[in-house]
Amino acid sequence: GAGVSQSPRYKVAKRGQDVALRCDPISGHVSLFWYQQALGQGPEFLTYFQNEAQLDKSGLPSDRFFAERPEGSVSTLKIQRTQQEDSAVYLCASSKSGGAPGELFFGEGSRLTVL
Amino acid sequence: AQSVSQHNHHVILSEAASLELGCNYSYGGTVNLFWYVQYPGQHLQLLLKYFSGDPLVKGIKGFEAEFIKSKFSFNLRKPSVQWSDTAEYFCAVNARGADFNKFYFGSGTKLNVKP
Repeated sequence: GAGVSQSPRYKVAKRGQDVALRCDPISGHVSLFWYQQALGQGPEFLTYFQNEAQLDKSGLPSDRFFAERPEGSVSTLKIQRTQQEDSAVYLCASSKSGGAPGELFFGEGSRLTVL
Repeated sequence: AQSVSQHNHHVILSEAASLELGCNYSYGGTVNLFWYVQYPGQHLQLLLKYFSGDPLVKGIKGFEAEFIKSKFSFNLRKPSVQWSDTAEYFCAVNARGADFNKFYFGSGTKLNVKP
């Protein structure tokens, strides 16, 4: 597609529910990133894929967070047993290269509200 | 870990006023530097970037930024703002080397331009 597409744009979950957030990167982009943006803060790194390989997941805040990109294209970020502190905008970004990423292209984000 | 500081959280200007937004980072190695902009209701998009060479870089819409290595700064400037520049601006740093896949963002500066 023309840009990075994320769905759903908005998600309200009750505490304890599982959620899945989808990212469709720009076609042909090798690198894919997930970021978490809390209210009033800048984006914070969660995880990084190069094609289907998850090369860095050091930013995932707990083992309740899981990300995958099985075919090297679409990615899913899953949050199990959501907590109120998980409320944030989850941003997906992609970049063309597999090495130093250069410019990131962001999606519009998925806003998660946990009640 | 690296950190990025944006000292101005909220800036209000009248049209035609000059703009300078501060950005300082903490990292002793070689970095790539970026300014991203988020217009209301839209995704983050690249305004300008610095990788190497001339420390004064020009971006879209008349924005420019100057990299001052000795001050660990990458301030954003525009001589004359327009109402359409109302947005949130994020400075970001990306280290070369082991952490190449991570971008560190500042907390953002909200710019409100009064017509």
